[in-house]
Amino acid sequence: DQQVKQNSPSLSVQEGRISILNCDYTNSMFDYFLWYKKYPAEGPTFLISISSIKDKNEDGRFTVFLNKSAKHLSLHIVPSQPGDSAVYFCAALDGGNKLVFGAGTILRVKS
Amino acid sequence: NAGVTQTPKFQVLKTGQSMTLQCAQDMNHNSMYWYRQDPGMGLRLIYYSASEGTTDKGEVPNGYNVSRLNKREFSLRLESAAPSQTSVYFCASSELGDTEAFFGQGTRLTVV
Repeated sequence: DQQVKQNSPSLSVQEGRISILNCDYTNSMFDYFLWYKKYPAEGPTFLISISSIKDKNEDGRFTVFLNKSAKHLSLHIVPSQPGDSAVYFCAALDGGNKLVFGAGTILRVKS
Repeated sequence: NAGVTQTPKFQVLKTGQSMTLQCAQDMNHNSMYWYRQDPGMGLRLIYYSASEGTTDKGEVPNGYNVSRLNKREFSLRLESAAPSQTSVYFCASSELGDTEAFFGQGTRLTVV
């Protein structure tokens, strides 16, 4: 039973437009959420995070939104660039140190 | 600064063979992790070590053993490899109380 779900296996977006990646979770004990980005043949790298006490966190072109009542978070990338093409993983922590990951979404940004 | 280093990068094993995946980090982190990545499954935690001298099972520990050799090194052993263990394995480290984990480049393992 996956506690963190990314229901869209892939997303294709035109360069300059907005990319929206979605993530749902089932465990109400999760109190911290992270997004990781992964290029082929490389390890995941941390992108942006949000605490459960916030509903938005912004870092440059990347914004993460958290809706606790819906157990849903999303990553917005504006404007999307070809270099953003990668696999994006949503992850969550329940107060400990063990990250629980979603299955990932492949983002393709077309130029 | 190397970060998290995994060896080997690629390995092909025959069913029943054993091998050890090595991981070392130079960030003085207390916690280390082993994950496997499979298509459609994301990254699943195999084992982790919250601090030197301790190890605990994660979500998918069957068929694996680990050793936290010292603060820097955390190895993953497959005693008798099975085709179901074909996967990409990632080692990661983090500081206790810190949320961000740093990952190695991965080991692509194929069991035939």
